Amino acid sequence: NAGVMQNPRHLVRRRGQEARLRCSPMKGHSHVYWYRQLPEEGLKFMVYLQKENIIDESGMPKERFSAEFPKEGPSILRIQQVVRGDSAAYFCASSVDRSDIQYFGAGTRLSVL
Amino acid sequence: KNQVEQSPQSLIILEGKNCTLQCNYTVSPFSNLRWYKQDTGRGPVSLTIMTFSENTKSNGRYTATLDADTKQSSLHITASQLSDSASYICVVIKTGTASKLTFGTGTRLQVTL
Repeated sequence: NAGVMQNPRHLVRRRGQEARLRCSPMKGHSHVYWYRQLPEEGLKFMVYLQKENIIDESGMPKERFSAEFPKEGPSILRIQQVVRGDSAAYFCASSVDRSDIQYFGAGTRLSVL
Repeated sequence: KNQVEQSPQSLIILEGKNCTLQCNYTVSPFSNLRWYKQDTGRGPVSLTIMTFSENTKSNGRYTATLDADTKQSSLHITASQLSDSASYICVVIKTGTASKLTFGTGTRLQVTL
């Protein structure tokens, strides 16, 4: 049973471009969470999704950021018109249900030039 | 002010020695507390989970304690190994928000020969 898979591991974008980060949860997990980790800071919650539904997006910036978890395929975190401040490590986690342990992927490191 | 404070910020110990990491939190009402280990360039991995009523929980050489009255937790590592070098993160879950983890900034542990 493969763990949580995130790709790409590293992503470089120029200011104004779009970034798409993908996350495939562990087999049997239907709950997905996205976190952002800025350098020298702790992880910060962004959004919680359960197949096709956004349950809690209270940590998502109001503009440029969106997330989806379609019925088929991975969860996608999309950042439009990236700025330098978006440079960070983005982690995805998945769980069997909302109170279960969250298993984390290895993260995607986004660098905005 | 961060709702989960950890100390020390970083720590260097010799292989074979023991160490204790501290976590103070203000998250309330409190549901459960978790310790995660995060290797450099990897996602966090769960070590222990403690609910409000639990005082101690062990996982091999890792022993976590919890004092819900003083809102303090500690992670004790026994007979440290080089592979214990990592960041150790205290995570608190607020009651009613099982999906949203509040992370401390972590203690960076380095075990040397």
